[in-house]
Amino acid sequence: AQKVTQAQTEISVVEKEDVTLDCVYETRDTTYYLFWYKQPPSGELVFLIRRNSFDEQNEISGRYSWNFQKSTSSFNFTITASQVVDSAVYFCALFRINTDKLIFGTGTRLQVFP
Amino acid sequence: DTEVTQTPKHLVMGMTNKKSLKCEQHMGHRAMYWYKQKAKKPPELMFVYSYEKLSINESVPSRFSPECPNSSLLNLHLHALQPEDSALYLCASSPEQGARYNEQFFGPGTRLTVL
Repeated sequence: AQKVTQAQTEISVVEKEDVTLDCVYETRDTTYYLFWYKQPPSGELVFLIRRNSFDEQNEISGRYSWNFQKSTSSFNFTITASQVVDSAVYFCALFRINTDKLIFGTGTRLQVFP
Repeated sequence: DTEVTQTPKHLVMGMTNKKSLKCEQHMGHRAMYWYKQKAKKPPELMFVYSYEKLSINESVPSRFSPECPNSSLLNLHLHALQPEDSALYLCASSPEQGARYNEQFFGPGTRLTVL
């Protein structure tokens, strides 16, 4: 089965707290891509990162960092020193090469309070 | 220009109406996508166009009819919709369809209400 699980439905934090959004995926494919998208209240999905299955290097971009661990099929996303503008729904997604489709997780709603 | 635009932002239509959603990108992308997103759910793929040809149809009912008149433009024609079709319709584009070029850029969506 091909599946993406985001177990955290909703997370609330206070500004400046660090927060980690979990993503666990299932696939039998050896080659695949993983994505994170942000969907603010305006509705547009904003691309954050893409990782291919052969690249397990962690990545940092400003306050955002990603931890990809193939051994546990996880691709977690951490926001350091969260800000109110980080409030959004965050989707993790798996791209299957042989079907050319993005499989989205159910999303995690992050609320950052001032 | 690195954005995907969609019009209209909001649309209210009756079940007997015919309307169209429009999506445009000027990034030179050759793959374009329609997704449907119900409230508090992830986006669901509806159609994929590659080089202006329909590549994927996810068994979408025929009351939704996509059209790709040129490489920059994607339409979704709506006819005889049902109230359960009310949703956010998202358009996306990527440089090409396929693994190496699968970073999809999304538009802001059209929020559709069917009465």
